[in-house]
Amino acid sequence: NAGVTQTPKFRILKIGQSMTLQCAQDMNHNYMYWYRQDPGMGLKLIYYSVGAGITDKGEVPNGYNVSRSTTEDFPLRLELAAPSQTSVYFCASTGTENTEAFFGQGTRLTVV
Amino acid sequence: GNSVTQMEGPVTLSEEAFLTINCTYTATGYPSLFWYVQYPGEGLQLLLKATKADDKGSNKGFEATYRKETTSFHLEKGSVQVSDSAVYFCALSDRSGTDKLIFGTGTRLQVFP
Repeated sequence: NAGVTQTPKFRILKIGQSMTLQCAQDMNHNYMYWYRQDPGMGLKLIYYSVGAGITDKGEVPNGYNVSRSTTEDFPLRLELAAPSQTSVYFCASTGTENTEAFFGQGTRLTVV
Repeated sequence: GNSVTQMEGPVTLSEEAFLTINCTYTATGYPSLFWYVQYPGEGLQLLLKATKADDKGSNKGFEATYRKETTSFHLEKGSVQVSDSAVYFCALSDRSGTDKLIFGTGTRLQVFP
């Protein structure tokens, strides 16, 4: 039972490069989320999705894009990486709003 | 909008001391409330939850009671252990239709022998 799987675990990008952070869950959850966690700070919601084909902005969406073509996958796209996007990124999923959120192990991204 | 406010850390305690981490929230309607814990180098995992007013969530000796009148969900433990050292996040689930999971800033707990 894999839960939520994020790849890669670590990545270093140069300014202006692009990349996609992958997130997959095998629990048939409708709700999926992307958060960023800056050093010593809490989680900030980037984007979320309540089902396949539906996405919405969170608190800090600028510089990111998402898609939700299937229930299982929720990739996060950085188009033009900036140093301000250096952070740890967590993907999470829940079955409903009242149930436990399952988190991936995180992706540590450094933009230089 | 909805928000969660937690006491700032770090909270530093000796083993077997009593722990309180304060959490208050602002939300429309009746959100569900959660405490998550993050151990070093790991993702978050659910510690406990409460889905309606006066509910008490409990797990591993930790407790929190959903207080609608004070919009609070304080985390408590009677006797902490070194292994409880981690970052604790209070969170709410918005039931207004957007279904966003909103987190507080987290409180680092350090327990010394």
